[in-house]
Amino acid sequence: EPEVTQTPSHQVTQMGQEVILRCVPISNHLYFYWYRQILGQKVEFLVSFYNNEISEKSEIFDDQFSVERPDGSNFTLKIRSTKLEDSAMYFCASSEGDQPQHFGDGTRLSIL
Amino acid sequence: LAKTTQPISMDSYEGQEVNITCSHNNIATNDYITWYQQFPSQGPRFIIQGYKTKVTNEVASLFIPADRKSSTLSLPRVSLSDTAVYYCLVGVEDSNYQLIWGAGTKLIIKP
Repeated sequence: EPEVTQTPSHQVTQMGQEVILRCVPISNHLYFYWYRQILGQKVEFLVSFYNNEISEKSEIFDDQFSVERPDGSNFTLKIRSTKLEDSAMYFCASSEGDQPQHFGDGTRLSIL
Repeated sequence: LAKTTQPISMDSYEGQEVNITCSHNNIATNDYITWYQQFPSQGPRFIIQGYKTKVTNEVASLFIPADRKSSTLSLPRVSLSDTAVYYCLVGVEDSNYQLIWGAGTKLIIKP
């Protein structure tokens, strides 16, 4: 069964640095998503992406964040000037549309 | 503020039926209700999705009343491996359209 893959599985970064989290969605999917989950808390929606542009974003997704689909397979989340509170699991998901979202196993981001 | 509400935790025993309810007062008219399962250190996994009445698949059933302001995930004959966190996800219409996740229900199955 096709899977969403995320790299790296764990990213450790100094506060103030920029990080790029990478995702390869399922190949025939058209909708892409990023979520955040702080340890022990619920899944939080960040952004959805369709047709090469952001379709929805949450209040969390401020100017510190950006997304990009640099080629036909990758979908990235960039976090600029990282803060301690950005430490969390970041999940990528993709879907065909109204079909359910398929999630990767996440990138654990640790900000020191 | 649009939100969903689920019980924080539930306990049950192997072989029992478990029902988890999510309330979602502001659900968007044309949106589905979706439930996900999450194990530690993994991404959420799709369980079931529905719009109204009842949906059943090989792992669960989903009951949705006519007003669609709540939904109930039913897991028949649970086993220890069903211990996980269960989330409902809905689209809601507030000042704008939003995808809203419930806070999750931690289900613990005991032998």
